[in-house]
This record gives sequence, C-alpha cells and structure tokens, in this order.
Amino acid sequence: NAGVTQTPKFRILKIGQSMTLQCTQDMNHNYMYWYRQDPGMGLKLIYYSVGAGITDKGEVPNGYNVSRSTTEDFPLRLELAAPSQTSVYFCASSPPSGGIYEQYFGPGTRLTVT
Amino acid sequence: GESVGLHLPTLSVQEGDNSIINCAYSNSASDYFIWYKQESGKGPQFIIDIRSNMDKRQGQRVTVLLNKTVKHLSLQIAATQPGDSAVYFCAENGGQAGTALIFGKGTTLSVSS
Repeated sequence: NAGVTQTPKFRILKIGQSMTLQCTQDMNHNYMYWYRQDPGMGLKLIYYSVGAGITDKGEVPNGYNVSRSTTEDFPLRLELAAPSQTSVYFCASSPPSGGIYEQYFGPGTRLTVT
Repeated sequence: GESVGLHLPTLSVQEGDNSIINCAYSNSASDYFIWYKQESGKGPQFIIDIRSNMDKRQGQRVTVLLNKTVKHLSLQIAATQPGDSAVYFCAENGGQAGTALIFGKGTTLSVSS
C-alpha cells in the first residue's frame, strides 16, 4: 500500500489564482481529513469526510472547498488564493474501526501565496 | 476555544537520556488522546494512544501517562536516540461526539550525541 499520497509537494501561487490539492488513499478508509499547519503551530482542521458523498466543515474552512466522489480521493480546492493561505497542507485518513482515531497522514503540500 | 497545549516548545537532551514531553488539555469531555511524531518535511506519524479509562500505556521505548485529575498528558521516551529528534504533538478527540482531533502546538525534541 502507498498509504496517503498528496500532490503536488510544493506550489507557489499568485494572489487570486486557484488550485486543487490532490489526496488519495489506498487503504479503503472511510474517514478523510484536510489540515493546515502554520509555522510553529499544530494542525488545524479545514474539512473532513466520513464517506463518499459526505463532507463537513472543520475549524478553518473559509476560502476552501472539498468534494468526495470516491472513497479513495479527497481533493481540496482553493478558489481565490490569499497570502493567509500560505501554509503546509496535510491530508489524512482513518479506518472505519478507528473513526477519528489513529489518523494516517500524507507527506504534505507546501503552498506559498505571493 | 478549548485546545490542547504543551508546556515547553523545545526540549534538548543527550543521547541515552530519558525524555519527558508534557501536554495539558482543557476539554474535560475528551476521552481519547494520541501522541504524534513529526519529522522535518514529513507528515505526523502515530506513536501511541490512550483512552481515558487508563492512566498508563506502554509501547516500545515510549510510555504515555494520563492524569485526568489535573488534565495532564505526558510522553516518556526511554534511552532517547538521535532518530527521536522531531516535533511531538499531543491531540485529543474532544469527547465521543467529536468529529476530529484537536492538536496542540508541539514540542521540538533535539537529541545530541
């Protein structure tokens, strides 16, 4: 299993540009999450999904959108990039038996908005 | 809002020493706690977890202690090695109705040889 994979690894955006951060997991996990991590800080939840077709907001959803059309994929969309969205983004998943527990994380996407 | 915090942002130890990383939580409804390790440039990696019906749990070279009376969580690493150098996060579930983990800010552990 590859686990949780994220693309791209790095990206620089100009203010106002849009992009999609990709996340795929091959562990057949129901739960998937998107977090952002600002320098020296813990992770903050942006959006999460408990299964295909179901998504919900986390702590910091403004400026982002998600979709979950399949169990494997959970893309995160930035529509109008702002400097405040400069951060490292992590996707995670957890199995049905674990619920929100024991999340498996991807390697992250480092995004800079200038 | 309520969140998980850590007492010290950095901790420096010598190789072979035992390390203790502390965490204070404020959400009394939390009944599940996890420690994650994050190496530079990588995503967090699960280390060990503990439920609120326990006060101690041991893994390989790691022990987590939970004191619900004072809402305190600690991670003990025995015989710390240079490969243990990383940022360590504690996280809580915010109770059984919680929808996601709540992470603290992290403690950077530096191990010197």
